[in-house]
Amino acid sequence: GQQLNQSPQSMFIQEGEDVSMNCTSSSIFNTWLWYKQDPGEGPVLLIALYKAGELTSNGRLTAQFGITRKDSFLNISASIPSDVGIYFCAGRQQGSNYKLTFGKGTLLTVNP
Amino acid sequence: DTAVSQTPKYLVTQMGNDKSIKCEQNLGHDTMYWYKQDSKKFLKIMFSYNNKELIINETVPNRFSPKSPDKAHLNLHINSLELGDSAVYFCASSLGGRVAFFGQGTRLTVV
Repeated sequence: GQQLNQSPQSMFIQEGEDVSMNCTSSSIFNTWLWYKQDPGEGPVLLIALYKAGELTSNGRLTAQFGITRKDSFLNISASIPSDVGIYFCAGRQQGSNYKLTFGKGTLLTVNP
Repeated sequence: DTAVSQTPKYLVTQMGNDKSIKCEQNLGHDTMYWYKQDSKKFLKIMFSYNNKELIINETVPNRFSPKSPDKAHLNLHINSLELGDSAVYFCASSLGGRVAFFGQGTRLTVV
């Protein structure tokens, strides 16, 4: 099945730093979603993207739907300790309306 | 509160047993899913129902049988549990094929 390549696998940063992570695929996606998962909880939606080139912000988070429709980026500015968690990209491939494919996640650790 | 709720949150059982996980959503969504998250945190879709009809059935052993009595409920029954079934199982729902909202997960441990 379609794989999403998410990188980096993990990040260790200092509080206040900015963070970037991305997701790429070999196929065209018509939806990109970014989720955060805290320990013992389910993934929670951060940002949804539906159009190529779309740039959307949610507080300190900004995500973009790549022009080629094969990638997406998530940036977190001025990180804080509660940003710790696993960030997942997810996408719907063109022609697969109901199947959401997930990346393998980026584990973010923020040192106070 | 509107949410996707699944029960139980934790399930410890012996190999060979049969168990069920229940899921309910009150978001008015028409599509529900079961995902499996393994020990490496990889999330993989197992099943999806749209308006009570099965629309996605990934390569899952037939010991796993989903049942959707109505649009708001999707249960997962597992027969003859094996050690490798240990994982966190997430229920999710969406309106059509749009954003999926997840429950808190059921941590299944087979001993």
